[in-house]
Amino acid sequence: LAKTTQPISMDSYEGQEVNITCSHNNIATNDYITWYQQFPSQGPRFIIQGYKTKVTNEVASLFIPADRKSSTLSLPRVSLSDTAVYYCLVGDPSGNTPLVFGKGTRLSVIA
Amino acid sequence: GAVVSQHPSRVICKSGTSVKIECRSLDFQATTMFWYRQFPKQSLMLMATSNEGSKATYEQGVEKDKFLINHASLTLSTLTVTSAHPEDSSFYICSARGGDTSRGYTFGSGTRLTVV
Repeated sequence: LAKTTQPISMDSYEGQEVNITCSHNNIATNDYITWYQQFPSQGPRFIIQGYKTKVTNEVASLFIPADRKSSTLSLPRVSLSDTAVYYCLVGDPSGNTPLVFGKGTRLSVIA
Repeated sequence: GAVVSQHPSRVICKSGTSVKIECRSLDFQATTMFWYRQFPKQSLMLMATSNEGSKATYEQGVEKDKFLINHASLTLSTLTVTSAHPEDSSFYICSARGGDTSRGYTFGSGTRLTVV
């Protein structure tokens, strides 16, 4: 499975846009990029998934450049409740292989 | 969407006793479920892959005789921590893939195990 690298932590003020970048230099052709959010003492929660270019849903946007060696999760106008750990993972969604988590990015939103 | 129900949410047990954690897929069938362990301030570590009707596959370093996994039906997988010790205290999480591959994997809410 492709290894991912993310910043360990980030701080942001409420109302700002937050961009978390993930590097995945060895991403395979069939791999998709998926981001999860985890609050303390809870299981991870799916945020967004994409293959290339840009994907947007009700909570976030995902930007993927043409070479797909990195991706950026964009959270618009964060609030205190967005304080969590964000994980970037890559893998083939058509298979049933387990997710291998990296260290994730701990986002702290400050009032 | 796909929902995975995990119980109990927290359990405290005495050293030497066994604890069973259940993970159910509520609105889909899960032929495969995954079990993770997470220590404080650390990431999720894959423990084992649970396959319906067959033996689980354990990751290197995970004792299969200590962490018994049973996946007897398409909607239920259980993890039993046998002869628990304080070092087994951790947050245990299960996951499975629902029918919609565009929605990633679904995770249970986790079980906080404290061995005293």
